[in-house]
Amino acid sequence: GQSLEQPSEVTAVEGAIVQINCTYQTSGFYGLSWYQQHDGGAPTFLSYNALDGLEETGRFSSFLSRSDSYGYLLLQELQMKDSASYFCAVRDPTGGYNKLIFGAGTRLAVHP
Amino acid sequence: EPEVTQTPSHQVTQMGQEVILRCVPISNHLYFYWYRQILGQKVEFLVSFYNNEISEKSEIFDDQFSVERPDGSNFTLKIRSTKLEDSAMYFCASKGGTNEKLFFGSGTQLSVL
Repeated sequence: GQSLEQPSEVTAVEGAIVQINCTYQTSGFYGLSWYQQHDGGAPTFLSYNALDGLEETGRFSSFLSRSDSYGYLLLQELQMKDSASYFCAVRDPTGGYNKLIFGAGTRLAVHP
Repeated sequence: EPEVTQTPSHQVTQMGQEVILRCVPISNHLYFYWYRQILGQKVEFLVSFYNNEISEKSEIFDDQFSVERPDGSNFTLKIRSTKLEDSAMYFCASKGGTNEKLFFGSGTQLSVL
């Protein structure tokens, strides 16, 4: 089967940098996505990496190493509003990559 | 930005009753999904729908569940006979062609009593 591992919780202070790691095991690979979810809210798309390397979008960057089956989400200049859960996700190759499966999520708490 | 809309935002039902959760995906999207999330847990895939048919479903999506796209704009999830363990937040999502970005609705909180 397919699996994703990410830390359950991370704590950081405003203005700091935090890295949320994700390792995955899949029988086929179609890229790694990241989603943010605030309490009571819907998941919202942050980024997608199909190839190795770093993708930057403002304060957020996402990295992928396919040889290590590993990626991370990097959040810079942390703000209180970044307190949320962050999920990595991959497409499941069984059934033709039609479903996106999510990790268990990392709860980020940003403190003043 | 375009958005996926879901109704109702909350639904309370008695065990054994049928419920229909409604979604209006983004108009030019082609791929539609239902996910659910039990409080504090991860987002779980239920079903994907493309070209007017189910393209993939999970083990959770048993015979009690069905989906429909009755009129080209709405996308519904029906649970025929609800169980206590069906209590969860249900999210509808849609996606354009080859874009990886899934757009999620704000969810329907289903409570089965």
